[in-house]
Amino acid sequence: QKEVEQNSGPLSVPEGAIASLNCTYSDRGSQSFFWYRQYSGKSPELIMFIYSNGDKEDGRFTAQLNKASQYVSLLIRDSQPSDSATYLCAVTNTNAGKSTFGDGTTLTVKP
Amino acid sequence: DGGITQSPKYLFRKEGQNVTLSCEQNLNHDAMYWYRQDPGQGLRLIYYSQIVNDFQKGDIAEGYSVSREKKESFPLTVTSAQKNPTAFYLCASSPRVTNEKLFFGSGTQLSVL
Repeated sequence: QKEVEQNSGPLSVPEGAIASLNCTYSDRGSQSFFWYRQYSGKSPELIMFIYSNGDKEDGRFTAQLNKASQYVSLLIRDSQPSDSATYLCAVTNTNAGKSTFGDGTTLTVKP
Repeated sequence: DGGITQSPKYLFRKEGQNVTLSCEQNLNHDAMYWYRQDPGQGLRLIYYSQIVNDFQKGDIAEGYSVSREKKESFPLTVTSAQKNPTAFYLCASSPRVTNEKLFFGSGTQLSVL
């Protein structure tokens, strides 16, 4: 079992819809959770982070964390074609001092 | 402008050759990391450093070496012992050891001739 698993893609949604990206992790000692967006051929960029159970909203993005279920998700409201990218989930156990990444989910938003 | 600079953007390695990828940051970040990304896959950690003159192996360190002689610099050498080096290499940094918000360089695509 991988330490961080993301729902297999690709995921395709129409413009204006809600895109839902999911991630589960195995290390119960994980404390910090991150979502990175990576356009093809480019480097990842941080778009959301969450440390506590519940929801965290930033513009069109909402991160959700449930530590009991070891589950973190990213919702993108009013999806735009510019949101088409690969989204990487990263989980950190601060004691280990490093992040573990999932394989990513590729999202395509169709006009 | 503050940021992380990786060079070169593209690199070709001949069989039996060692090559070095450069990573420099002017963000005054303590921690630096090297990741490898293969097509369609996530990032795998090669080496990381939390302080000058100290570094730790990541999940796939075999065939690679690093140094951290200056806070700003964290070069990665891909040695001839790495038999499958073709990949996209990403350098990253974070402000503090316990702060894992990663800031990435633009990457180096390494290919074998």
